[in-house]
Amino acid sequence: ILNVEQSPQSLHVQEGDSTNFTCSFPSSNFYALHWYRWETAKSPEALFVMTLNGDEKKKGRISATLNTKEGYSYLYIKGSQPEDSATYLCAFSGNQFYFGTGTSLTVIP
Amino acid sequence: NAGVMQNPRHLVRRRGQEARLRCSPMKGHSHVYWYRQLPEEGLKFMVYLQKENIIDESGMPKERFSAEFPKEGPSILRIQQVVRGDSAAYFCASSPLEVNTEAFFGQGTRLTVV
Repeated sequence: ILNVEQSPQSLHVQEGDSTNFTCSFPSSNFYALHWYRWETAKSPEALFVMTLNGDEKKKGRISATLNTKEGYSYLYIKGSQPEDSATYLCAFSGNQFYFGTGTSLTVIP
Repeated sequence: NAGVMQNPRHLVRRRGQEARLRCSPMKGHSHVYWYRQLPEEGLKFMVYLQKENIIDESGMPKERFSAEFPKEGPSILRIQQVVRGDSAAYFCASSPLEVNTEAFFGQGTRLTVV
C-alpha cells in the first residue's frame, strides 16, 4: 500500500484567516490526485481532480495546486468561514485510490 | 442518476454473528472500493474490486473478512464472527473505468458490535 501523507493533522484558524495544507504522495506511477471534503456524519465529497503537473484548480474560496515531480499538492482556503470546518482528504490514484488520513480544519467564529 | 447507495446505514451485531454490508455503485461505475474508518482515525483502504474480480485486498484482514462484486447486484463486504474491534464506519466508493476521475462515496454503514 502506497503512503499518502497529509499535514498538519489538525488545524484551528480564526474566521477570515487564510490557510493551507499539504498532501505528499509517491511521484511514480501517477495518474491523478484528488481532494475531498469530509464533514462529520456525511460521506466524503469530491472537490478537485488534478492530473497534470502544474495543475491549479479553484472552486470559490478553495484552490489546489499540484506538483507531480516532487510529489505534493497544496490545498488553500482563502478567508476561512465556519462552514469550511471539515476534514480534507487527499487521494492518490495509481491503479487504485490511496487516501491520506486527512487534515481536520476547525474555523473559529 | 442515484449516488452510491450503502445499506444498512446502521447495523448492530452481537459478538460472533455475521455482518453483511451492501454497496450499490453509481450507474455505469465498474470499480468499487471499501474503506473502514475506526474511531478517531482516517479512512483505511480495505479492498478494491471490479465486476467479478478482486483487484487488491491488501488492506483487508486475512481472516473473517471477505468481499465480492458479482456481475449482477451490489458489492458485499462480509464480516464473519464479528468482534468488538470490528465496530467502525464502513464506506464504499465507486468510480468509472478511468482512475483519473473522481470516486464517489456512499454514506457509509456504521457497524456496532455489542
